[in-house]
Amino acid sequence: QKEVEQNSGPLSVPEGAIASLNCTYSDRGSQSFFWYRQYSGKSPELIMFIYSNGDKEDGRFTAQLNKASQYVSLLIRDSQPSDSATYLCAVKGTSGTYKYIFGTGTRLKVLA
Amino acid sequence: NAGVMQNPRHLVRRRGQEARLRCSPMKGHSHVYWYRQLPEEGLKFMVYLQKENIIDESGMPKERFSAEFPKEGPSILRIQQVVRGDSAAYFCASSADRGITEAFFGQGTRLTVV
Repeated sequence: QKEVEQNSGPLSVPEGAIASLNCTYSDRGSQSFFWYRQYSGKSPELIMFIYSNGDKEDGRFTAQLNKASQYVSLLIRDSQPSDSATYLCAVKGTSGTYKYIFGTGTRLKVLA
Repeated sequence: NAGVMQNPRHLVRRRGQEARLRCSPMKGHSHVYWYRQLPEEGLKFMVYLQKENIIDESGMPKERFSAEFPKEGPSILRIQQVVRGDSAAYFCASSADRGITEAFFGQGTRLTVV
């Protein structure tokens, strides 16, 4: 089992719709969770992070965390073509060294 | 407040040469992480360093690769005797501490081995 799993996509949504991106993790003791956006040929850019169960909202983005289910998601409301990118889920490990472990990313396409 | 700085942005090396990648963390950050990314793939953890210490090098190949983060100056990822399979984007990230804090990435170094 991979430490952090994401569906590779592509996930296609029409402009203006809600995009829902999902991520599961294996380390039950993980405490902090991050979403990054990466455009092709560019470096990852932090969107938001969450560490408490429930929802955290920032503009059009909402991160949701369910530690019991070991599940974290990112909702993008009113999706725009400029949101088309790969979204990387990262978990900060607790077993030893606190490194950031990334999933392989979900490619999102927002269709105009 | 400058972000994470990596240089060079692009590096071309012939097989057998050495590649040296540099990373200066954000101001106030003392934790540095190196990742490798192949085209259309995710970020693979390589090494985690604090000033003068290697905390976790579980993702580093045992041979040819080394990393350091000296008391003064940038973190260095060194690849000796490069091979074509080393061609990839290498990203550095930094964070302020080992707690619940976010990491910020540099622009990356694209290494091409010819």
